[in-house]
Amino acid sequence: QVQLRESGPGLVKPSATLSLTCTVSGSSVNSGSYYWSWMRQSPGKGLEWIGYIYYSGTTNYNPSLKSRVSISIDTSKNQFSLKLTSVAAADTATYYCARLKFSGKYYDYWGQGTLVTVSS
Amino acid sequence: SYELTQPLSVSVALGQTARITCGGNNIGSKNVHWYQQKPGQAPVLVVYRDNNRPSGIPERFSGFNSGITATLTISRAQADDEADYYCQVWDTNTHVVFGGGTKLTVL
Repeated sequence: QVQLRESGPGLVKPSATLSLTCTVSGSSVNSGSYYWSWMRQSPGKGLEWIGYIYYSGTTNYNPSLKSRVSISIDTSKNQFSLKLTSVAAADTATYYCARLKFSGKYYDYWGQGTLVTVSS
Repeated sequence: SYELTQPLSVSVALGQTARITCGGNNIGSKNVHWYQQKPGQAPVLVVYRDNNRPSGIPERFSGFNSGITATLTISRAQADDEADYYCQVWDTNTHVVFGGGTKLTVL
């Protein structure tokens, strides 16, 4: 059974860097069959794609966040991570990691999500 | 950048058919996927590649892409279907694109 789980601080100070990790079980992040992705959802709002990483290390980011985002992958731990710099209150959201199928470009498995609040 | 348009809300009487639309430029050239999200939960894939259901999704959920609009149809709507629904496509330039979401209310 494929499972993804987000972990990281639930509270981040303004101007600091938000760091989250997604631990994957039941599937290998070293597979060419999937992209590994981050999304977020501000309270009461819709889904926003942040970016994804491929096993090769290739990344793509939402242009609106590109200057502040980086996604990395650790195949030895079967994890991938998100860093978002210079956060502000507008970055307060539930952050989801998910698996994107390479062949169909749809998300077949999601993590449960983790709420990150930006506040001093 | 590519955009998808969904109605903010749709209402359906219990046992009737709900239709949720998703519009975008030349959407017929794209595969449309649909997710259901209940309050406090992660999204769940209910239809992929326009009209395919993942295992475990009831046959009451179906999709169609007419080329002008993509539609998620929920037949014999149940109280448990009340949720937010999002369409999603892959665009060559924008990559992953989500619609704004539709709140389905079952009356």
